Amino acid sequence: DIQMTQSPSSLSASVGDRVTITCRASQTMNRYLNWYQQKPGEPPKLLIYSTSALHIGVPSRFSGSGSGTDFTLTISSLQPEDSATYYCQQGYSTPYTFGQGTKLEIK
Amino acid sequence: EVQLVESGGGVIQPGGSLRLSCASSGFSVSDASMTWVRQAPGKGLEWVSVIYNTGGTNYADSVKGRSSISRDNSKNTVYLQMDNLRADDTAVYYCARDKRWLTIWGQGTLVTVSS
Repeated sequence: DIQMTQSPSSLSASVGDRVTITCRASQTMNRYLNWYQQKPGEPPKLLIYSTSALHIGVPSRFSGSGSGTDFTLTISSLQPEDSATYYCQQGYSTPYTFGQGTKLEIK
Repeated sequence: EVQLVESGGGVIQPGGSLRLSCASSGFSVSDASMTWVRQAPGKGLEWVSVIYNTGGTNYADSVKGRSSISRDNSKNTVYLQMDNLRADDTAVYYCARDKRWLTIWGQGTLVTVSS
């Protein structure tokens, strides 16, 4: 199974900050890396798929990049509504494993 | 509107069985791959199972041999049958559309395994 490791596990940032979350895979997996946002009491929402493709309706301040085993999610200018937990997921081979999550708090 | 609605959760004793349902609207489950993901209380997301549009299936090791995913095209519904339930199966179970990335999610149904 492919193991996904996110860092940091949590972070706190201010409105307007540029925020980066990293996801590392235990093996190369083409570009099948996805990012989700989950707020308390809600199901996850797809933000980015295939490393860098923005899902419908997702604000352009979210972007993804990476290759091989290392991938990043970037929020260019943090907004109050971005307070959530973010998960990466590999879609390369089953089981399509998730990272452990990064909890993002707004200062 | 594309929508997924899960049902069938509840409190079940260890060793018991449960069938979760995921009713879809706005698209045909026969045309899509459908995935189950679970989340234990206060924990992260765990991929559980997928049924491909071709009918093939796949399972996480944690549920393999105890679970079965299926679909009823006439009811536009996907199911997850879970047997020999354990305490560590306690979680909110979400169904989601697609396989490699999950585009639409339901609200989830809570399964609590407890005596």
